[in-house]
Amino acid sequence: DTAVSQTPKYLVTQMGNDKSIKCEQNLGHDTMYWYKQDSKKFLKIMFSYNNKELIINETVPNRFSPKSPDKAHLNLHINSLELGDSAVYFCASSQGRGWEQYFGPGTRLTVT
Amino acid sequence: KQEVTQIPAALSVPEGENLVLNCSFTDSAIYNLQWFRQDPGKGLTSLLLIQSSQREQTSGRLNASLDKSSGRSTLYIAASQPGDSATYLCAVYNFNKFYFGSGTKLNVKP
Repeated sequence: DTAVSQTPKYLVTQMGNDKSIKCEQNLGHDTMYWYKQDSKKFLKIMFSYNNKELIINETVPNRFSPKSPDKAHLNLHINSLELGDSAVYFCASSQGRGWEQYFGPGTRLTVT
Repeated sequence: KQEVTQIPAALSVPEGENLVLNCSFTDSAIYNLQWFRQDPGKGLTSLLLIQSSQREQTSGRLNASLDKSSGRSTLYIAASQPGDSATYLCAVYNFNKFYFGSGTKLNVKP
């Protein structure tokens, strides 16, 4: 069984559209994260949730809105997509804050 | 603000060589440091995690060391194999979040 899963794996969409990426972990972890990896492979934290509570919200445009319906899920909704949003988005989880992280396979978002 | 640097950006070695990857960070008040590998088109796989109170961790052919006072960590790979070819990233945890380096792309030639 996949520990951290993301859907979809690939997402191609046009500018201005709204899209969502889903993340689920079956590890029983309390903390989940969203990261963005740009074309230079640099990985940057976007959001972090601990027990469904938002604990980190980096300087991300408010077009990005995370939602955690329960501890096992952290979804990312993006409104009014822009060309610069094209990147690979990774979900990760850890047992607690600062514990070892486990990553999902990533979602490659391409905005045309 | 924490900054993490990995040098070199790319490394190519013949199979069988021992090698060292470097990671440096600007703020030594870290909680822990984690090494990952990333294969092309894939997610990150955790290799080793070193707590701030530890000096090193070992897993198989991998050995990671941590010198907090100097802001450095090294990942030692013994007897490298073509299957070790990947990008290796380090991440430090402080200020309630992980800060990642930009990675070292390793190519082990058969």
